[in-house]
Amino acid sequence: AQSVAQPEDQVNVAEGNPLTVKCTYSVSGNPYLFWYVQYPNRGLQFLLKYITGDNLVKGSYGFEAEFNKSQTSFHLKKPSALVSDSALYFCAVRGGGGFKTIFGAGTRLFVKA
Amino acid sequence: DTAVSQTPKYLVTQMGNDKSIKCEQNLGHDTMYWYKQDSKKFLKIMFSYNNKELIINETVPNRFSPKSPDKAHLNLHINSLELGDSAVYFCASSQDLTDLAKNIQYFGAGTRLSVL
Repeated sequence: AQSVAQPEDQVNVAEGNPLTVKCTYSVSGNPYLFWYVQYPNRGLQFLLKYITGDNLVKGSYGFEAEFNKSQTSFHLKKPSALVSDSALYFCAVRGGGGFKTIFGAGTRLFVKA
Repeated sequence: DTAVSQTPKYLVTQMGNDKSIKCEQNLGHDTMYWYKQDSKKFLKIMFSYNNKELIINETVPNRFSPKSPDKAHLNLHINSLELGDSAVYFCASSQDLTDLAKNIQYFGAGTRLSVL
């Protein structure tokens, strides 16, 4: 069975500092990984995905994520955080030949001015 | 012009009632989904339709019944509402189900259901 873990409920970072939101996964076969962001009272918005190819994936709003097969991780990063990045971030995985995308529990990011 | 729209945005009702949530997408996508997000923000898939055919049917009480009259619509009907049904329900769509490059999901703004 596939699963995804986001070990941090909350990440706090000062504006201008780099941020990392962690994600690890478990899936049989090749993993297909996604990051989504949810702002208050809104639906989830797609940020970036890893299907195949380069391990470093660039996405919307200056975010990027690095796929690490040996550590089964797909951490989300941004070199310089903005207050407007404050939101709930979801990692998601699909694999094992199935059709379901499994979402992590979410990590709340607070960026302080 | 909203890509995935859900109505109503808020739904407050009494236990035992029957209610429906409607979802429409104007993206021309083949696949639509219903998710439930609980009070701890945990997001769980309920159903998925591809070209009006039910593909994913998770362990959901049979009081929940999805209906897809056409590819652009996926409605959710809930019978005999219970307190535990209180949550935010999200509709989503994707271009395709099997092609991973086309499996990016676009979400509606959610329907906040409160059962009293």
